Amino acid sequence: ETGVTQTPRHLVMGMTNKKSLKCEQHLGHNAMYWYKQSAKKPLELMFVYSLEERVENNSVPSRFSPECPNSSHLFLHLHTLQPEDSALYLCASSQDLEGSSYNEQFFGPGTRLTVL
Amino acid sequence: GQNIDQPTEMTATEGAIVQINCTYQTSGFNGLFWYQQHAGEAPTFLSYNVLDGLEEKGRFSSFLSRSKGYSYLLLKELQMKDSASYLCAVGDSNYQLIWGAGTKLIIKP
Repeated sequence: ETGVTQTPRHLVMGMTNKKSLKCEQHLGHNAMYWYKQSAKKPLELMFVYSLEERVENNSVPSRFSPECPNSSHLFLHLHTLQPEDSALYLCASSQDLEGSSYNEQFFGPGTRLTVL
Repeated sequence: GQNIDQPTEMTATEGAIVQINCTYQTSGFNGLFWYQQHAGEAPTFLSYNVLDGLEEKGRFSSFLSRSKGYSYLLLKELQMKDSASYLCAVGDSNYQLIWGAGTKLIIKP
């Protein structure tokens, strides 16, 4: 158990649906991340939050909308997605943003998203 | 641009040693991470290098040469449970992690 949970684990949605992914970390960390993982591609960083403020948005389409109501919870709201958005969506947290061995990122198990 | 290169797939024999290489070109350098990811599971932290040299942790070791933009992960006494993908990631000047596509390691009996 890594201390980062994600729900749902699997999600199938149509292109006109609206759904939300939820992430919760129980580690007392200050930074949280959303990643997209597609087969045989590098992890793509989507959003970064530090102390509940968004610090990075890597040119992600507006059909993905993050929300961080507090330092323990992170949501990814989805609407009018495309089939190419089908992927594994991973949430991660770290103590802080700065890179060091003490700021390793802890990942949740991911949500496997399929867009029909 | 920023780029992390690692082999797509490697095969090794149980009990043997395998070295997984990673080369990188990034804007700035704030450490290099190795993660292990079993199929269908979350990536888990293996090692972190920020200075040149070898870091040893049990059966796993990680090496870094900043001047060459190069790292490797060395796995000794391979076990079947080591079959997984191994992800190399580099912290850039903004402390964001730039990820490689991962190396799928297949262990054969």
